[in-house]
Amino acid sequence: DVVLTQTPPTLLATIGQSVSISCRSSQSLLHSNGNTYLNWLLQRTGQSPQPLIYLVSKLESGVPNRFSGSGSGTDFTLKISGVEAEDLGVYYCMQFTHYPLTFGSGTKLEIK
Amino acid sequence: QVTLKESGPGILQPSQTLSLTCSFSGFSLSTSGICVSWIRQPSGKGLEWLATICWEDSKGYNPSLKNRLTISKDTSNNQAFLKITSVDTADTAIYYCARFYTGRGFDYWGQGVMVTVSS
Repeated sequence: DVVLTQTPPTLLATIGQSVSISCRSSQSLLHSNGNTYLNWLLQRTGQSPQPLIYLVSKLESGVPNRFSGSGSGTDFTLKISGVEAEDLGVYYCMQFTHYPLTFGSGTKLEIK
Repeated sequence: QVTLKESGPGILQPSQTLSLTCSFSGFSLSTSGICVSWIRQPSGKGLEWLATICWEDSKGYNPSLKNRLTISKDTSNNQAFLKITSVDTADTAIYYCARFYTGRGFDYWGQGVMVTVSS
């Protein structure tokens, strides 16, 4: 199975600070069709996960543009440019280039 | 408006079979490119994909549990189902169903249903 390693496991940020979360894959996530199936999700406390970004860098509808995704191959990054209070929760990366679909272990964003 | 809602037994005993239902609205499981997946999350832990069923009735299972899982659908009634046989305490978790759009990923999730396996 593809292992997705997220760092850091916990992130402490102040409002307005820009932060980045890394997701590293044990295998390249570039599919033979040219797409890279790496997504990001946010799970707020007590809620179900919600999609943020798909195909590495495409924002889901309604997601603020302070969120951005980048990367290729095995290294991916989620950046939040100016953290807001509503951004706290656990962020997961997820891949479905390879079977089975796997999730990263999560990065918990806490607000100072 | 797309919604999904899971339902299940709440609590069951070890060795029993867990049956889960995902009732959805706002889309059809007969539409090309649409799938429904089951994902679970033990308390305080991460997410684990379990199974997916798609519009053309293709199915995929997590190999780590494959022999215990059966996914199915009732397209007419907008439902998807998951059965897990021979449960034990390690199957205690919140179980989510989610819509999976081919090539894009999970775009809508249900609220989740808590399942506890206990003697």
